[in-house]
Amino acid sequence: QLQLQESGPGLVKPSETLSLTCTVSGGSISSNNYYWGWIRQPPGKGLEWIGTIYYSGTTYYSPSLKSRVTIYVDTSKNQFSLKLSSVTAADTAVYYCARGESSSPFDYWGQGALVTVSS
Amino acid sequence: DIQMTQSPSTLSASVGDRVTITCRASQSFNNWLAWYQQKPGKAPKLLIYKASSLDSGVPSRFSGSGSGTEFTLTISSLQPDDFATYYCQQYHSYWTFGQGTKVEIK
Repeated sequence: QLQLQESGPGLVKPSETLSLTCTVSGGSISSNNYYWGWIRQPPGKGLEWIGTIYYSGTTYYSPSLKSRVTIYVDTSKNQFSLKLSSVTAADTAVYYCARGESSSPFDYWGQGALVTVSS
Repeated sequence: DIQMTQSPSTLSASVGDRVTITCRASQSFNNWLAWYQQKPGKAPKLLIYKASSLDSGVPSRFSGSGSGTEFTLTISSLQPDDFATYYCQQYHSYWTFGQGTKVEIK
C-alpha cells in the first residue's frame, strides 16, 4: 500500500523559505506514468494546488506561486520536496503531498503538515 | 487558467436526502474532472474521476455526471458518514480545485 508522509519545520519566519519533504513508501517515486504534487489548505479555507513534478522531472507550478516555488525529486531517498521562498502569513496552511497517475487525479495523499509563518 | 466554481457553498440536508452539488468551469474541457470528500483534520479522499467513474471502494450512492463546463456530484441517499466538505477538481489543464461545498446536518 502506497504511503506518503510530509516532514519539515512547523514554524517559519516571514521572508524566509519554507521547505517540506514528502517520503514515499510502498512504491517507487521513479515509476513511469506517475506524478507527484503539493497542495495546501489555509486554516478554514479550501484546497490550493501548488505544483506538480512528473517522473520525467518535468514540473508545473501554479501561476500565482510560480515565482516562489521549486519542486524536485530525490530518487535515492524516494522523496520529493517543496521549497517556497519569501513566505508571509498568507502562506500559513496545511501542506499536503499527493500522487497521481497520468490522465488521472491525485489518488494517494499524505496526512498533511501544518506550517505556520510567524516571527 | 481554468477556474472552477462550486454551488452551493453550504448545503443543509437530512439523512436519506438526495443531494446534488454543481461545479462549473470557466472554459470547456474534456471529462478530466474529479470529486473529493474531506473531513475535518483529514486529507481529501478521491471519490470520482473522469467525471463519472467511481474510485475503488466508494459506495454506489455517490455518482458523478456532466461534461463541458458543468459537472455534478450526486449522493442518492445521504448517510451519517457523508457529512463533510466536497471539492471538485479539474486536471485537464494543470490542476484547479473548486472552493468546496460543506454538507451539514439539517
